[in-house]
Amino acid sequence: SAVISQKPSRDICQRGTSLTIQCQVDSQVTMMFWYRQQPGQSLTLIATANQGSEATYESGFVIDKFPISRPNLTFSTLTVSNMSPEDSSIYLCSVEHRMNTEAFFGQGTRLTVV
Amino acid sequence: TQLLEQSPQFLSIQEGENLTVYCNSSSVFSSLQWYRQEPGEGPVLLVTVVTGGEVKKLKRLTFQFGDARKDSSLHITAAQPGDTGLYLCAGKAGNNRKLIWGLGTSLAVNP
Repeated sequence: SAVISQKPSRDICQRGTSLTIQCQVDSQVTMMFWYRQQPGQSLTLIATANQGSEATYESGFVIDKFPISRPNLTFSTLTVSNMSPEDSSIYLCSVEHRMNTEAFFGQGTRLTVV
Repeated sequence: TQLLEQSPQFLSIQEGENLTVYCNSSSVFSSLQWYRQEPGEGPVLLVTVVTGGEVKKLKRLTFQFGDARKDSSLHITAAQPGDTGLYLCAGKAGNNRKLIWGLGTSLAVNP
């Protein structure tokens, strides 16, 4: 397994501002992912954070809105830019182990935009 | 589109009852996992199944993987309030490197 520290755990932000979420892993991992989740619902993949290259975004998500950094194999950040109330959600960092089949998660960041 | 259909979406039962959650797809999965998520936390892996027909037990939880590796079930015996949470199935199909997620089952076990 992997220990993933994600911060902040929650934040309330003004619309039009940006928030950067940090994800630190206790071991080097190849694959890091960022998800969005509405409370009580399933996960939606935002992007795959690639070390040394630009992140790979899923349909409906763009780099200008969700810029991602991955400076090394243990750390990544997700920025939610120019926030609106529609961005209120839980954001989760995830890594995969065991031949890329099992996912491990940080505790999530609960974002409320007012 | 590869989908994982999970049912039921919501379940509210009394302590001591049994329940089953289903995860179905038209695609063949190379592996399938079940996760449980509690409020304020990320999903936590419960089990991974990889072989068609496989059955795994984790205390009062029994996980099955269908013979054709297209479906899976989670059965909880004598549910307890501590079982309350969101249960998610997820898997990888074919050469797709991304996990495909079910929609989740929100379980409430009332004392």
